[in-house]
Amino acid sequence: GENVEQHPSTLSVQEGDSAVIKCTYSDSASNYFPWYKQELGKGPQLIIDIRSNVGEKKDQRIAVTLNKTAKHFSLHITETQPEDSAVYFCAASWWEGAQKLVFGQGTRLTINP
Amino acid sequence: GAGVSQSPRYKVAKRGQDVALRCDPISGHVSLFWYQQALGQGPEFLTYFQNEAQLDKSGLPSDRFFAERPEGSVSTLKIQRTQQEDSAVYLCASSPLGTGFNEQFFGPGTRLTVL
Repeated sequence: GENVEQHPSTLSVQEGDSAVIKCTYSDSASNYFPWYKQELGKGPQLIIDIRSNVGEKKDQRIAVTLNKTAKHFSLHITETQPEDSAVYFCAASWWEGAQKLVFGQGTRLTINP
Repeated sequence: GAGVSQSPRYKVAKRGQDVALRCDPISGHVSLFWYQQALGQGPEFLTYFQNEAQLDKSGLPSDRFFAERPEGSVSTLKIQRTQQEDSAVYLCASSPLGTGFNEQFFGPGTRLTVL
């Protein structure tokens, strides 16, 4: 089955700097890659997603890139703010069967003021 | 409108007890998922419903775990004879369509602690 690896597990950056989180996946059939943000005591919230027919997607300070050949995708957050501090999860899914998500292990991002 | 709600938010059970966790999805959402999130880990898929039909239960870790969604709306995850390894946050998510790529809207989860 699908396996998603995520790194780093923790990331600390200065406010205003950029943060990058990387994920790799194993199943070449995966074609949907969402990113979720989880704050303490809350459920994951979708922040951006990308489908395999595009290589990059941006939404204000957040961008995601996908390299299908290498089977990896990355989350980029620019101009980081204290409210960006949270745990971020990447996930992968595929068309066949249920739309279950396979998640990475998570990255705890801390923005230092 | 209201998001996905789950109850109880916290549950403490003694080993061997049965527990029932409830999920109220967003009204009208066809798909409903249950995930298990161990401390410091990503959520792991348990089971999936499309309306009242349980289409995938491949993630349920043992036959002690049972889920139902009898009327295609509210769902209950039941764990019988709880074990310490069942301690985790149980997340419910719903999405509006039955097929294709849809955003999954997650509830706040139920934190289960088995003593």
